[in-house]
Amino acid sequence: GAGVSQSPSNKVTEKGKDVELRCDPISGHTALYWYRQSLGQGLEFLIYFQGNSAPDKSGLPSDRFSAERTGGSVSTLTIQRTQQEDSAVYLCASSLQGAKQETQYFGPGTRLLVL
Amino acid sequence: LAKTTQPISMDSYEGQEVNITCSHNNIATNDYITWYQQFPSQGPRFIIQGYKTKVTNEVASLFIPADRKSSTLSLPRVSLSDTAVYYCLVDASKIIFGSGTRLSIRP
Repeated sequence: GAGVSQSPSNKVTEKGKDVELRCDPISGHTALYWYRQSLGQGLEFLIYFQGNSAPDKSGLPSDRFSAERTGGSVSTLTIQRTQQEDSAVYLCASSLQGAKQETQYFGPGTRLLVL
Repeated sequence: LAKTTQPISMDSYEGQEVNITCSHNNIATNDYITWYQQFPSQGPRFIIQGYKTKVTNEVASLFIPADRKSSTLSLPRVSLSDTAVYYCLVDASKIIFGSGTRLSIRP
């Protein structure tokens, strides 16, 4: 079956603009995760969804970042008033039920560049 | 909060066995140890997971001592295509990947 998909694959924007990043998880996966990865760095956890609810949004770096998930499927990560330090690869992952030990399946990421 | 520590980088040659050790001193009783591999410009992918002793699959082996405060990922007979970043993950209340180990394989 299809894996996790993300769009766009690349996004260049100007400082101060808003951006929306989309994630389509594997069908039937109830858990969805967003991470951020700066160049040459490890993964930084942003937010976790179980169904449409976000029981853990502790990793969102500021109130400019928000995310939602609808229909227990597609998720959108929105960054308002983008800053240059927001430039990074944004990775989405999904897992079947969100149990701690479950394998997470990652998408290819969205590369965001804020000029 | 279980935190992992692993070497920043390692180098090896084709055909060698590579062992990457991860320390997780504060691992909780119900935590498993999971390793992911990440190639450039791709998302991480699952390699192996274990709770104690030894686990082996077609890709790697995972050795976990009795105290579970560390684990070692073993890659047999590496090739150039094994050049990647390897993450050790102990899934506690937070999902922490850390910086990983950048493995470089040379001909």
